Amino acid sequence: KQEVTQIPAALSVPEGENLVLNCSFTDSAIYNLQWFRQDPGKGLTSLLLIQSSQREQTSGRLNASLDKSSGRSTLYIAASQPGDSATYLCAVMTTDSWGKFQFGAGTQVVVTP
Amino acid sequence: SAVISQKPSRDICQRGTSLTIQCQVDSQVTMMFWYRQQPGQSLTLIATANQGSEATYESGFVIDKFPISRPNLTFSTLTVSNMSPEDSSIYLCSALAAGTDTQYFGPGTRLTVL
Repeated sequence: KQEVTQIPAALSVPEGENLVLNCSFTDSAIYNLQWFRQDPGKGLTSLLLIQSSQREQTSGRLNASLDKSSGRSTLYIAASQPGDSATYLCAVMTTDSWGKFQFGAGTQVVVTP
Repeated sequence: SAVISQKPSRDICQRGTSLTIQCQVDSQVTMMFWYRQQPGQSLTLIATANQGSEATYESGFVIDKFPISRPNLTFSTLTVSNMSPEDSSIYLCSALAAGTDTQYFGPGTRLTVL
């Protein structure tokens, strides 16, 4: 069964610093990987989707990389802002469970002014 | 993209009662899902809502406890039956937009059972 781990569980940085969030998964037979943001008491907002054939995706200050062979994805957020404070979730869709995501526990990020 | 709405946004219920949560998507979707997020935990998939047929449940979840309907492509309901305090969670509806692999989530329903 696919297991998804996110490290660190929590992270606090001063404004302007770059954020690096890690996600690892045990089964490399993935269809895609998606990064989400969750604000307290709210639903999930999709940030980036990486297909299994891709190495990275970029959107504005966000960049996500994928290394299937090592079972890792990294989300980079450049020049962090207080508005980036949230919980970031990594979700993996494996090829034998198309449509279904296995979620990591998340990384709680606080960006201090 | 798809915009998903859920009703109610939150509720406080008494033990032993049932609550039905509605999920509406504003565009064509291929698959719809229901997730549970217990306090301080990540998301766990409850079931896949199948249009016009019985939902497909994940291990640990059963139809008698979480009956699900999906009468058409863009609407689904989840009922939490015979509730206990352990059912206190956020319940989220999600959908795969037609023609994409991106999964969209509703804002969630925060349920508290006393």
